[in-house]
Amino acid sequence: GAGVSQSPSNKVTEKGKDVELRCDPISGHTALYWYRQSLGQGLEFLIYFQGNSAPDKSGLPSDRFSAERTGGSVSTLTIQRTQQEDSAVYLCASSSGLASIEQFFGPGTRLTVL
Amino acid sequence: KQEVTQIPAALSVPEGENLVLNCSFTDSAIYNLQWFRQDPGKGLTSLLLIQSSQREQTSGRLNASLDKSSGRSTLYIAASQPGDSATYLCAVGNNFNKFYFGSGTKLNVKP
Repeated sequence: GAGVSQSPSNKVTEKGKDVELRCDPISGHTALYWYRQSLGQGLEFLIYFQGNSAPDKSGLPSDRFSAERTGGSVSTLTIQRTQQEDSAVYLCASSSGLASIEQFFGPGTRLTVL
Repeated sequence: KQEVTQIPAALSVPEGENLVLNCSFTDSAIYNLQWFRQDPGKGLTSLLLIQSSQREQTSGRLNASLDKSSGRSTLYIAASQPGDSATYLCAVGNNFNKFYFGSGTKLNVKP
């Protein structure tokens, strides 16, 4: 596609349920990032994928969070046993993968945990 | 760990005014710096990307400067318009492709 897409755009879930968020990066982009933005806050880095290298998971807040990237393209962020503090907008970005080249963001998924 | 600060947190100006948004970072060993715009309920739109070897970048009414040694970047907006109202974020990238974001400046341009 022309840009980064994310689905769903909104997700409401009950505390304790698992959720999956999807990101489709720009075609040909080898780098993919997940960020979290809580209300009124800046972006918090979660995880970074670059090609076939092991992902940088240093930003994941707990072991309830995991992400995978299949075939070097689509990525799924999974949150298990969701908590109310997980409520935030989850943003995905991709870049061409050359060192620190421009990031392009998707519209985000707004997650609300009741 | 890189810390990125943006000042002011919020800014309200009348239409037509020139303005400057500030971004500072604690570790000068950066690879690039990117300015974004975020509209309410939307994702981020890239405005300007400055590589560490560059001093500034311009796009239309926007000009971003970078002073690595002092750990600062500014985003200059000329002849502001109500459509410029948004939150402006700066992000600092290191050579491990990791980006650190400031918390943003919320700009309101009054007609």
